[in-house]
Amino acid sequence: DTGVSQDPRHKITKRGQNVTFRCDPISEHNRLYWYRQTLGQGPEFLTYFQNEAQLEKSRLLSDRFSAERPKGSFSTLEIQRTEQGDSAMYLCATLGVEQFFGPGTRLTVL
Amino acid sequence: QQPVQSPQAVILREGEDAVINCSSSKALYSVHWYRQKHGEAPVFLMILLKGGEQKGHEKISASFNEKKQQSSLYLTASQLSYSGTYFCGTEMTGSGNTGKLIFGQGTTLQVKP
Repeated sequence: DTGVSQDPRHKITKRGQNVTFRCDPISEHNRLYWYRQTLGQGPEFLTYFQNEAQLEKSRLLSDRFSAERPKGSFSTLEIQRTEQGDSAMYLCATLGVEQFFGPGTRLTVL
Repeated sequence: QQPVQSPQAVILREGEDAVINCSSSKALYSVHWYRQKHGEAPVFLMILLKGGEQKGHEKISASFNEKKQQSSLYLTASQLSYSGTYFCGTEMTGSGNTGKLIFGQGTTLQVKP
């Protein structure tokens, strides 16, 4: 257990639906990252926060994706109008010296 | 800018050694090594920050060359529990110390009894 939690752990949805994932980081870590991982690939960077400020977004992140981190604590990642290509593991990580990953949310879009 | 890992896959018998390499075309700020088992999140192994650095714990160690473009992960006297996919995550020099990692494609390690 890294101290980073994510909810839900699994999500199955139909194409076109909206989904929201939550990440609760290690409390003293002010940087929070979202990655996406598809089968057989390494994690791909999506976005990161320094406290409540979103400082960088990957070009992979289409307009259907939005992330927030109100008050610099937990973070949410929302995907609107899901597509089958969004099926992946969504990983949250926080940074001390090392980057610790949460258990991930596995999204399946039918 | 994605680092290149080699080999792509390794099969070992218990007790054998393995080396996994991670190479970048540009100098890196840091290299992070992770192990991931099927269906689970990556687990942090170690971070290297300095050129020429070598570090490790238990029977797993790693090095970072002087030019900071290549890192190697050494697995000694492998155990069944070492099986999984190993990823290097790299932070580029000049990225502003954001902590943003770019991961290699992974090396799958299978240890057989």
